[in-house]
Amino acid sequence: GAGVSQTPSNKVTEKGKYVELRCDPISGHTALYWYRQSLGQGPEFLIYFQGTGAADDSGLPNDRFFAVRPEGSVSTLKIQRTERGDSAVYLCASSSSSGANVLTFGAGSRLTVL
Amino acid sequence: AQSVTQLDSQVPVFEEAPVELRCNYSSSVSVYLFWYVQYPNQGLQLLLKYLSGSTLVKGINGFEAEFNKSQTSFHLRKPSVHISDTAEYFCAVSRGTNAGKSTFGDGTTLTVKP
Repeated sequence: GAGVSQTPSNKVTEKGKYVELRCDPISGHTALYWYRQSLGQGPEFLIYFQGTGAADDSGLPNDRFFAVRPEGSVSTLKIQRTERGDSAVYLCASSSSSGANVLTFGAGSRLTVL
Repeated sequence: AQSVTQLDSQVPVFEEAPVELRCNYSSSVSVYLFWYVQYPNQGLQLLLKYLSGSTLVKGINGFEAEFNKSQTSFHLRKPSVHISDTAEYFCAVSRGTNAGKSTFGDGTTLTVKP
């Protein structure tokens, strides 16, 4: 597509529930990144995919967070047993390589855990 | 590890006045530097980037930034701002090995008043 698409744009859930957030990157972009932006802060790196594999997941806060990219295009960020502290905007970005090419960000998915 | 400090959380300025948004970083290795802008309810958009070469970098919308290695700074400037420049601005740093894995500052809110 023309840009990075993220769905849903808004998600409200209850504490303890399971949530999936989807990212559809720019067609042909091999690198895909997930970031989390809490209120009043800058984005924080979560995980990076090169193709289908997670090349760097050092930013995932704990084992409740997991992400997949089975066919090297669309990615899903999965959060189990959500907690109120998970409330944030989850940003997805893609680029054409892991080198000096810059990121194109989606508009984000705002997650609110009640 | 690398870190980014945006020295001003909020910068109010009158229309047509010059503005400087300050950014300092720390890193033990060579870095790439970026400025992003985030308009309300929109994704991050790249303003400009420093990868190598000339330390004065020009970006979109009339913005420019200067990389100062000795002062580890990458301040953003615009000689004359418009109402439409009102937004959140983020400075980010990444290592050359993976330019997409960036560390962001906490942002500076630029408010342009008539």
